[in-house]
Amino acid sequence: QQQVKQSPQSLIVQKGGISIINCAYENTAFDYFPWYQQFPGKGPALLIAIRPDVSEKKEGRFTISFNKSAKQFSLHIMDSQPGDSATYFCANNLFFGTGTRLTVIP
Amino acid sequence: DAGVTQSPTHLIKTRGQHVTLRCSPISGHKSVSWYQQVLGQGPQFIFQYYEKEERGRGNFPDRFSARQFPNYSSELNVNALLLGDSALYLCASSSVAGVGRYNEQFFGPGTRLTVL
Repeated sequence: QQQVKQSPQSLIVQKGGISIINCAYENTAFDYFPWYQQFPGKGPALLIAIRPDVSEKKEGRFTISFNKSAKQFSLHIMDSQPGDSATYFCANNLFFGTGTRLTVIP
Repeated sequence: DAGVTQSPTHLIKTRGQHVTLRCSPISGHKSVSWYQQVLGQGPQFIFQYYEKEERGRGNFPDRFSARQFPNYSSELNVNALLLGDSALYLCASSSVAGVGRYNEQFFGPGTRLTVL
C-alpha cells in the first residue's frame, strides 16, 4: 500500500538550522499533499498542505516545495527550534509516508 | 469544543479475540476515517465513512470492519486478533468525504492495542 516514500528516517539539526524532509508519490489522481506533525502520545496534526497547481507554499517558518513533473515534494523548516522536535509525515490524500523523526539540538 | 475522542485509550487482548474501538468526531463533522499506526511507521488508511456509508477502504483483511452511527460516531471492529494487529489505531474526522484542500482531517489521540 506504500504510495508515498519519505526520507530521511531521522534527522538531527542544530537550533537555528534548516530541516529538510523529502517525499515522492505515485498516485497522480490525488490532489492534496499535507504534512503532519506528531508528538509522542498524540495523533498527527496538520502542519501545512499544498495543492499540485502551486509550486511553493510558505506558512511562517514552514515551506512546502512541490515538483509535479518529478512527483516529489519537500518540507523545509527554517530556523528550527527544539520545540519542533517531533515526527513528521507527508501524505498524498489519505496515504501517509513512513515518517521522519526530527531532533533539534539546543 | 471537544476534539475527536477515542475510547478506550489502551487495550490488551490475546490472539484470537475480538476488539471494538470507538470514535466520536468533532461536532458537525460527518466523515470518520480509521488508520492503523504500527510503531515507527506512518498511519495506514483502513476505512472512511461518510453519512453512515463506506466511502473508502484500504488494503486490510476482512477481519477488519467498521460502521458509522446516525450521530456520526464510529466503531472499528477487528476479529481473530493476530500479534501483528498490535498498533495505535487512529480516528480522524472531517466535514465532508474525501480529503482535499478544503477538507482538513482532525485526528484523535488514538487507541493503543496490544495483542499478546
